[in-house]
Amino acid sequence: DTGVSQNPRHKITKRGQNVTFRCDPISEHNRLYWYRQTLGQGPEFLTYFQNEAQLEKSRLLSDRFSAERPKGSFSTLEIQRTEQGDSAMYLCASSRATLTNNEQFFGPGTRLTVL
Amino acid sequence: AQSVTQPDIHITVSEGASLELRCNYSYGATPYLFWYVQSPGQGLQLLLKYFSGDTLVQGIKGFEAEFKRSQSSFNLRKPSVHWSDAAEYFCAVGPNRDDKIIFGKGTRLHILP
Repeated sequence: DTGVSQNPRHKITKRGQNVTFRCDPISEHNRLYWYRQTLGQGPEFLTYFQNEAQLEKSRLLSDRFSAERPKGSFSTLEIQRTEQGDSAMYLCASSRATLTNNEQFFGPGTRLTVL
Repeated sequence: AQSVTQPDIHITVSEGASLELRCNYSYGATPYLFWYVQSPGQGLQLLLKYFSGDTLVQGIKGFEAEFKRSQSSFNLRKPSVHWSDAAEYFCAVGPNRDDKIIFGKGTRLHILP
């Protein structure tokens, strides 16, 4: 399977706990994006990387959120001290940005439930 | 600020009927426009995109969309829907090729047998 993969697919945690999600992009894709999707809404941009550099962060990404892409391949998204409002689907996407195309390919998402 | 409006939260059509999903955008320059489909438990799949050129774009699964600059619209159409088209559809705009995508809230499509 050469698509974007995300793990875990589901995560249930108690308020105040830390959680970490992983995203493995399509091989050789230099850009990696994180989005959050809450019920009844479209995905909202959180942050993105070009190779290992984090180039942009949304205001939605509070200081409890941190994302890394240490070797320019897989990425992790960590949420510290989770709150019930963090319950959402976290989507990862990757792209091989060129001058003429930057189609983003999405993974299946990680659904987080904070109790 | 850039934004996308999908005025219909739910749409119900009969199998075999034609479909049009509405999308309006707000953006100061020529936008890059997308339609994605999301089925339950699945990731977002790109149906089609408009970057420049012909304002009528063809996509996968028999979908097409027309960019109308004067109306700031990018409506999605299909001449005859199939039961497998039942899903949530998102219109999206990209500020430029290298940046994030801004999504609308989605339209859930229901198909009657």
